[in-house]
Amino acid sequence: EVQLVESGGGLVQPGGSLRLSCVASGFIFSSYEMNWVRQAPGKGLEWVSFISTSNTPIYYADSVKGRFTISRDDAENTLYLQMSSLRAEDTAVYYCARATVIPAAHLDYWGQGTLVTVSS
Amino acid sequence: DIQMTQSPSSVSASVGDRVTITCQASQGISNWLAWYQQKPGKAPKLLIYAASSLQSGVPSRFSGSRSGTDFTLTISSLHPEDFATYYCQQANDFPLTFGGGTKVEIK
Repeated sequence: EVQLVESGGGLVQPGGSLRLSCVASGFIFSSYEMNWVRQAPGKGLEWVSFISTSNTPIYYADSVKGRFTISRDDAENTLYLQMSSLRAEDTAVYYCARATVIPAAHLDYWGQGTLVTVSS
Repeated sequence: DIQMTQSPSSVSASVGDRVTITCQASQGISNWLAWYQQKPGKAPKLLIYAASSLQSGVPSRFSGSRSGTDFTLTISSLHPEDFATYYCQQANDFPLTFGGGTKVEIK
């Protein structure tokens, strides 16, 4: 059974940093491209970042470019999102999501999400 | 960036009704469109991929279609468990973009 389990969310002050983790199981993690998607309270879905197999290419939404870094550890079956210079508008539930292989970039499995709250 | 315009933003319907949700892409995306269902407090669930292919395990009352840059999700006969919010997402290019969502509510 495919499972994605996020952790690392919490309350952080504006300007602070946080690292999210997503542990994958039930599939060959190294063979799949992965994404982070977020959802602000009461709002819609916003794609945040993508990482391919072998770490290339990597893409970011303009809203997080230069502040967030996506990475993966295939040996540990773990996806990461390092977030820095956090702003109030980054407050959201963050989901990791697996991308389909064929066709690409459809998100077929999602984690349960981890809440990040940026507030003083 | 490719903009996805989804309508309506909400719809009130009864069990057994046929419900149609549309999504228009700002430019051509071929068939690279997904539909998701999200219930309160839960992660989105993939329903349809490549515009019209049903994800494994999804009931056949859900279907998707495409006409040019216009995409449609149809629920042929609404079941109680279908009351949720639905999102489209283009998978043609990065940044991936989602429609604004359609909340299907009980009439």
